Amino acid sequence: TQLLEQSPQFLSIQEGENLTVYCNSSSVFSSLQWYRQEPGEGPVLLVTVVTGGEVKKLKRLTFQFGDARKDSSLHITAAQTGDTGLYLCAGDRNQGGKLIFGQGTELSVKP
Amino acid sequence: GAVVSQHPSWVICKSGTSVKIECRSLDFQATTMFWYRQFPKQSLMLMATSNEGSKATYEQGVEKDKFLINHASLTLSTLTVTSAHPEDSSFYICSARPRTNSNQPQHFGDGTRLSIL
Repeated sequence: TQLLEQSPQFLSIQEGENLTVYCNSSSVFSSLQWYRQEPGEGPVLLVTVVTGGEVKKLKRLTFQFGDARKDSSLHITAAQTGDTGLYLCAGDRNQGGKLIFGQGTELSVKP
Repeated sequence: GAVVSQHPSWVICKSGTSVKIECRSLDFQATTMFWYRQFPKQSLMLMATSNEGSKATYEQGVEKDKFLINHASLTLSTLTVTSAHPEDSSFYICSARPRTNSNQPQHFGDGTRLSIL
């Protein structure tokens, strides 16, 4: 059973389009992180959300944490080819620092 | 910012060889480090939690005699893949959480690509 369901797992869009990635769970998280990973490299932290209902913006990226702290979304506006990569959500359930990762979303933005 | 260094970044070796991967926190101390395995275009799978000065905690299905973890200091954890076989080929990633602030997120290394021939 996947504790953190991430969707979609694959997404191919044209430059300039908008997209949203979702992470859903039946469990409550104390915090949730979003990472971006390029091939052959480790994940790079984009944002951490902690408070239910929190919205954070990072340029064209908008992150939202659900009111009940069970789900989160990442919205990218006007995608660029440089946004291509693997996006990962990861939740913290206060289990000694262990993170629960979603399945990942492989995003391809075509020119 | 906090940096985690992983070495080597890429290793190719023959079947039956044991391979050691190092994970170092360069500018902070970490009592806890995590080891993950990742297959192409898939998410990270937690293998074990490395605890400084004590035994590692392995996730279900991970053979502790196959994947030996040593966390001898507050800045270094090692993962040794013993008698590696082609099915052990994968991308191994470590992460570390700062000791002084457990609210900080984990910092990831750049991974080690292991290829067993």
